[in-house]
Amino acid sequence: ETGVTQSPTHLIKTRGQQVTLRCSSQSGHNTVSWYQQALGQGPQFIFQYYREEENGRGNFPPRFSGLQFPNYSSELNVNALELDDSALYLCASSFSGGEDYGYTFGSGTRLTVV
Amino acid sequence: GQSLEQPSEVTAVEGAIVQINCTYQTSGFYGLSWYQQHDGGAPTFLSYNALDGLEETGRFSSFLSRSDSYGYLLLQELQMKDSASYFCAFTNTNAGKSTFGDGTTLTVKP
Repeated sequence: ETGVTQSPTHLIKTRGQQVTLRCSSQSGHNTVSWYQQALGQGPQFIFQYYREEENGRGNFPPRFSGLQFPNYSSELNVNALELDDSALYLCASSFSGGEDYGYTFGSGTRLTVV
Repeated sequence: GQSLEQPSEVTAVEGAIVQINCTYQTSGFYGLSWYQQHDGGAPTFLSYNALDGLEETGRFSSFLSRSDSYGYLLLQELQMKDSASYFCAFTNTNAGKSTFGDGTTLTVKP
């Protein structure tokens, strides 16, 4: 089975620009969650998608938005980038109802906003 | 509010046993998970406790006490490759999301 793949691995953007990050979930998983991880901190929950609908959202502004596609892959879009958006963005797939199997994380996209 | 507390750093020697504690505060608690993350890598799922007690998986064990809002990860026969950050995370009934602590950096010395 394939794991979670994210693209791109690294990205540099200018303040005010928009960015789209992509994630392909692990085979058999139907839920995708996005996390932001700043240096030296734990992952912070952005939102989760299940059956192509947002299924919970963390404390992030509306300029963070997402999509889930019929094949369970997902996108994270961030508009009007700010310097503080610089972080590692992690996509995690899981099977709803299978909490005891945990999340499978991708290796992340390192976003730098200058 | 929701929060997790875990020590920021732990140091131990190769072959030893180390325990990383985690206390949490949340409503609608569902279970406690543990993840390992090496520098530059993705978090990797280690264990999940939904019920009180000890879960053992090889050299790693995890414990949960729901009444005390407390859990720990026990690592035995430490190896150099165990040097990493360890995160506890609770899952609550709100859409099944996991909320992570800030992690404990474990350094294993020869």
